[in-house]
Amino acid sequence: GQQLNQSPQSMFIQEGEDVSMNCTSSSIFNTWLWYKQDPGEGPVLLIALYKAGELTSNGRLTAQFGITRKDSFLNISASIPSDVGIYFCAGQLKGSGNTGKLIFGQGTTLQVKP
Amino acid sequence: KAGVTQTPRYLIKTRGQQVTLSCSPISGHRSVSWYQQTPGQGLQFLFEYFSETQRNKGNFPGRFSGRQFSNSRSEMNVSTLELGDSALYLCASMPPRLGTGGRETQYFGPGTRLLVL
Repeated sequence: GQQLNQSPQSMFIQEGEDVSMNCTSSSIFNTWLWYKQDPGEGPVLLIALYKAGELTSNGRLTAQFGITRKDSFLNISASIPSDVGIYFCAGQLKGSGNTGKLIFGQGTTLQVKP
Repeated sequence: KAGVTQTPRYLIKTRGQQVTLSCSPISGHRSVSWYQQTPGQGLQFLFEYFSETQRNKGNFPGRFSGRQFSNSRSEMNVSTLELGDSALYLCASMPPRLGTGGRETQYFGPGTRLLVL
């Protein structure tokens, strides 16, 4: 089925460093979403993007909807220990018949060393 | 506003049994989507319900089914359980769309962890 290529797969960084992760696809998306998931919990929505080129921030998090509508990135600035978790990108494909259906990336596992 | 709730949180079943999971969406949300999360396959879309109708379906066998009630609560059922059905089952609700824009924003519940022995 459809896939989003999310990279990197994992990151181990020092507290205070900036982090960047991205998702790419060969298909066009209408919506890009970024989620964070802690162990044993459901994904929590961080940022939602709806327009090509859109750049949105949520505190230390910034995400962009790629101009081609086939990619998105998430940046975390000045990382702190509570940023630890798995980050997922998710998108809704362009076209009818995709309502309610999100395609997910494989996730980026972030570890922060105090 | 209360978030998406799912019950039960944990479940252990044996092969061949069936199971029913429940999801209550955020108040005012009428769309409920279900996903299966496993270490090997990641998050995979099962189906989506809106106004008691299945609007979209993923590539899962017919053993996986769902329904939605008039209060937007949803259930999913898995019959004849297999070992490979062990997973975290997540439901997500979506707020009503404004206008005709494609604002697909889904909010997830905590999930039901199913273990099939």
